[in-house]
Amino acid sequence: DAKTTQPPSMDCAEGRAANLPCNHSTISGNEYVYWYRQIHSQGPQYIIHGLKNNETNEMASLIITEDRKSSTLILPHATLRDTAVYYCIVRVAGANFGNEKLTFGTGTRLTIIP
Amino acid sequence: SQTIHQWPATLVQPVGSPLSLECTVEGTSNPNLYWYRQAAGRGLQLLFYSVGIGQISSEVPQNLSASRPQDRQFILSSKKLLLSDSGFYLCAWRAVSGNTIYFGEGSWLTVV
Repeated sequence: DAKTTQPPSMDCAEGRAANLPCNHSTISGNEYVYWYRQIHSQGPQYIIHGLKNNETNEMASLIITEDRKSSTLILPHATLRDTAVYYCIVRVAGANFGNEKLTFGTGTRLTIIP
Repeated sequence: SQTIHQWPATLVQPVGSPLSLECTVEGTSNPNLYWYRQAAGRGLQLLFYSVGIGQISSEVPQNLSASRPQDRQFILSSKKLLLSDSGFYLCAWRAVSGNTIYFGEGSWLTVV
């Protein structure tokens, strides 16, 4: 799987949009971009994923550049409960192998400021 | 909708004692199941995965074992815990036809 690069930390004011960038310049054509977040002492929570097109769900939006070398996760109206470490990973699409060696990097520690 | 639960959430066990962490998935059939360990400040380490009842694959030789006695039940065990077994253990699942992995709440194990 391709490697990703994220800023180590970010702050965002409560109620504002939080924009978390991720670089994945070596992404392959069959690799999805996935975002998870992890609140301290809890399991990682799936947020959203995409291949080429921008995606939106009830939690966030994912914007993927046309060349797919970077993406941005957008939390439209950040709340204090969004304070967490956010992980961007890339994974092969359509894989049906059992040994999912899912790899999280260091992620971005997002702090929502009241 | 599908849900995953694992327990206990926290556990403090003496060295040499046995371990049993349990995980169940609801709302899906024949999921792929996983046990990961996450060390502080480090990434995920895949310990075991299972593609069906009784089918267990181990990724890392260690003091732990896993079993899948039922389709949606995955158990992580040890006969004798070591200090180095301390850590945050995560159960996860993926639909056979899906690509997204979903994690449980995690279990903190401290071996003393």
